[in-house]
Amino acid sequence: QSVLTQPPSVSGAPGQRVTISCTGSSSNVGTGYDVQWYQQLPGTAPKLLIHDNNNRPSGVPDRFSGSKSGTSASLAITGLQTEDEGDYYCQSYDSSLRAWVFGGGTKLTVL
Amino acid sequence: EVQLVESGGGWVQPGRSLRLSCAASGFTFDDYAMHWVRQTPGKGLEWVSGISWDGVSIAYADSVKGRFTTSRDNARNSLSLQMNSLRAEDTAFYYCVRRAPTVTLNSHYFDNWGQGTLVTVSS
Repeated sequence: QSVLTQPPSVSGAPGQRVTISCTGSSSNVGTGYDVQWYQQLPGTAPKLLIHDNNNRPSGVPDRFSGSKSGTSASLAITGLQTEDEGDYYCQSYDSSLRAWVFGGGTKLTVL
Repeated sequence: EVQLVESGGGWVQPGRSLRLSCAASGFTFDDYAMHWVRQTPGKGLEWVSGISWDGVSIAYADSVKGRFTTSRDNARNSLSLQMNSLRAEDTAFYYCVRRAPTVTLNSHYFDNWGQGTLVTVSS
C-alpha cells in the first residue's frame, strides 16, 4: 500500500467538476512538505500538473488547481474534457522514510 | 527542450544484473539532482533513488538499498542505475526524472520525466 492515500477512481461528465483527494500523515504532508500532482495519460509517462500544493507549470490549463490543508491535499479539475481521462498521482516527501512518496493513483473517467 | 532518454531495459533472470542509462539534453545537467522512479505495469509509482548534482549525496528506497547503485557522469550528461540481484518484484518501467530546483525546504518534486524503459525479471 502507498504512503499517500488516494481514491482508486473518480468519474464525471464533460464540463463537470471533480476532485481527487490525497491523504498523508504527520511525517509527510502534515509536517509541511508540499504536495505535487502528476497526470499520466494512457501510454505516456507522468507529467507534472501541480507543484508546491497549488502552482501550475507553464502550459497547464487553469482548469486544474490544487489545495492543501493539514494532512490532506486535493486536486480539482473543472470543465472536464475527454482528454483529461487518465491516472492522477499525488506526491510528497516523507521525513521518517527519507523518501519521495506517491499516492496509489486515481483513475479519472470522463463519462 | 528538456529531453531524458532511458535505455538498457530488457528481460533478465532473477539474481542477474542490468544497467540502465539516461541521456540528458536541453538543460545544464550538472545544475540538477536526478532521480529514478519506477512503475509496475498497471500499478502505481515508486521512488527508487536520487543523486545530487555533484554525485556526492545518493539516496535509495529501502526496497533496493544494497542492490542498486546510482551514478552520474556530468561530462557526458548521463545518469546510470546499476541493478544487481534482481527480483521478480523489480519488474517495472523505470523513469529517469529531473528534480526541480529547491525553492523552499518543503519543496521536493520532479519537473521532467523520460519516456521510461521496461525491465522484466523472470525465469
